[in-house]
Amino acid sequence: EPEVTQTPSHQVTQMGQEVILRCVPISNHLYFYWYRQILGQKVEFLVSFYNNEISEKSEIFDDQFSVERPDGSNFTLKIRSTKLEDSAMYFCASPRAEGTDTQYFGPGTRLTVL
Amino acid sequence: AQTVTQSQPEMSVQEAETVTLSCTYDTSENNYYLFWYKQPPSRQMILVIRQEAYKQQNATENRFSVNFQKAAKSFSLKISDSQLGDTAMYFCAFMSFGNEKLTFGTGTRLTIIP
Repeated sequence: EPEVTQTPSHQVTQMGQEVILRCVPISNHLYFYWYRQILGQKVEFLVSFYNNEISEKSEIFDDQFSVERPDGSNFTLKIRSTKLEDSAMYFCASPRAEGTDTQYFGPGTRLTVL
Repeated sequence: AQTVTQSQPEMSVQEAETVTLSCTYDTSENNYYLFWYKQPPSRQMILVIRQEAYKQQNATENRFSVNFQKAAKSFSLKISDSQLGDTAMYFCAFMSFGNEKLTFGTGTRLTIIP
């Protein structure tokens, strides 16, 4: 059973549209991470989020991306104006307990930009 | 910046045999963590095993064990008594102590042949 859940499992959108990907932890995690995996490639770090603030972001995470914690239990990744190259699997991850280093991944959202 | 290299894009082995997946990494850090994640066709990222760099003893989890050679910056994964369910992509990952992001290798596609 995954530590976190993600919705939707698959999102299809038109280029230029905004998408919001959601991540819900089973327990109340303060640390959250987003990763991206373009089909056939390795998993890449996007952003880490701690206690309602971005703690680190990669060069992939440009102004088109944003992360929020709209309420106490959800984390979101928003892409404002999707491009074809945003098509990928998007994973959120979290440690099982605060102060631990091992990240457990959600099942992922497959984003397809047409 | 840290880099992780997996030099075997694909491997295959007969069921019940033992297989070793290689991983090397480059870092100037002394304290860090290493992980192996498994990604089956469902594309879920599943933690297989973790190793703390300050521990000399190699980690083991049932049929999975690692050969951690810190001086050589090598972190191989051995799967004993391989099973059909082990068929998946396997990713090696690195995390610095105190820095939360995971840096992944390009993966090894492992196929277990019945």
